[in-house]
Amino acid sequence: DGGITQSPKYLFRKEGQNVTLSCEQNLNHDAMYWYRQDPGQGLRLIYYSQIVNDFQKGDIAEGYSVSREKKESFPLTVTSAQKNPTAFYLCASSIQGGIGQPQHFGDGTRLSIL
Amino acid sequence: AQRVTQPEKLLSVFKGAPVELKCNYSYSGSPELFWYVQYSRQRLQLLLRHISRESIKGFTADLNKGETSFHLKKPFAQEEDSAMYYCAPQTQGGSEKLVFGKGTKLTVNP
Repeated sequence: DGGITQSPKYLFRKEGQNVTLSCEQNLNHDAMYWYRQDPGQGLRLIYYSQIVNDFQKGDIAEGYSVSREKKESFPLTVTSAQKNPTAFYLCASSIQGGIGQPQHFGDGTRLSIL
Repeated sequence: AQRVTQPEKLLSVFKGAPVELKCNYSYSGSPELFWYVQYSRQRLQLLLRHISRESIKGFTADLNKGETSFHLKKPFAQEEDSAMYYCAPQTQGGSEKLVFGKGTKLTVNP
């Protein structure tokens, strides 16, 4: 089914390596988000974008970077500066404009360190 | 600081029993409030939102501004309700960010 597609499902990173997680949506949503989920920690916001070519840092942006060149795509790069990257990463999107709009989530990418 | 607390990490009830998943928030202003659910092997999805005053799958959630709580309730739990539940206030001011609680894992036993 459509909606939000994250790839890959599993990703392994070597020390000092940057890796990029893909997030694509076909919902025509303006806003997109990246969350990190650790056991017992809930979801924490890394970056979000409300419109193409614009994005803002979330609560834990250090060691991550994003781009929003197209409305349907919001890739997340986990850089070598992120010292504890092992986690489950979730991408979400929502219709722009107004309180009460729900977010739609992808299936997630699990990142592990080799 | 804006904060949301789900005090129970794990909650176990028997089928047919009432269930209440607690959520307390600490926010300036009046946030919009959501409950999200993640069933086994499924993606995180919206269960209900306060603004809609809806009941989904028998669940309701009442906003108590005095206690700053948004507890999720169901009078008769079913085995298929077993899942991870997250309370998520939404900040206002244009960013529409959600702040998620740490979640409560509900197990409904037969």
